[in-house]
Amino acid sequence: DAGVTQSPTHLIKTRGQQVTLRCSPKSGHDTVSWYQQALGQGPQFIFQYYEEEERQRGNFPDRFSGHQFPNYSSELNVNALLLGDSALFLCASSSNSIRDRGTGNTIYFGEGSWLTVV
Amino acid sequence: AQSVTQLGSHVSVSEGALVLLRCNYSSSVPPYLFWYVQYPNQGLQLLLKYTSAATLVKGINGFEAEFKKSETSFHLTKPSAHMSDAAEYFCAVSLLFSGGYQKVTFGTGTKLQVIP
Repeated sequence: DAGVTQSPTHLIKTRGQQVTLRCSPKSGHDTVSWYQQALGQGPQFIFQYYEEEERQRGNFPDRFSGHQFPNYSSELNVNALLLGDSALFLCASSSNSIRDRGTGNTIYFGEGSWLTVV
Repeated sequence: AQSVTQLGSHVSVSEGALVLLRCNYSSSVPPYLFWYVQYPNQGLQLLLKYTSAATLVKGINGFEAEFKKSETSFHLTKPSAHMSDAAEYFCAVSLLFSGGYQKVTFGTGTKLQVIP
């Protein structure tokens, strides 16, 4: 059973460029969340996708956008990259089934994508 | 609103000593609580979670945490530290909303150093 997989693992972009990060959720999961973890900080919630729609969004500008596909995989896009966008981007998946809600919808994380903006 | 406070950004213990990582939460409704561990250059791995079934929760690698509602705490403990426990630990609180949306808030993390 594959866990949450993310790609690429590392990438370097130039300020002003655009980046796309990809995520495949854990088998059986239908909900994908994205987090940004800057160096020395805890993960910050970007947004969550369920049924191919953005359900909730954290305090991030519109430069951050996403998409969820029918197979539940997801992409995170960041436009007009800033130096401050350099971080570890984590994808997390969970199940929205009623049964899993009763156990707290455990979120499982991928290994992350390290983005460096220069 | 919900929030998580982890007391101590860095904790050092000797190998074999008790590990105690503190977490206090704030939530308007009974929360779900989690502890995650992050090893260098890796993602977050679930250690354990509290879902109201039992106040003392046992997790992987010998860790456990006790939910104390009166103290709004969910401290993480391990009786005897191993060198392999050196990592960063994150406490998180989760609230479920109608429609299944889950809001998870993380603490700022505690780096555990284990001294030989």
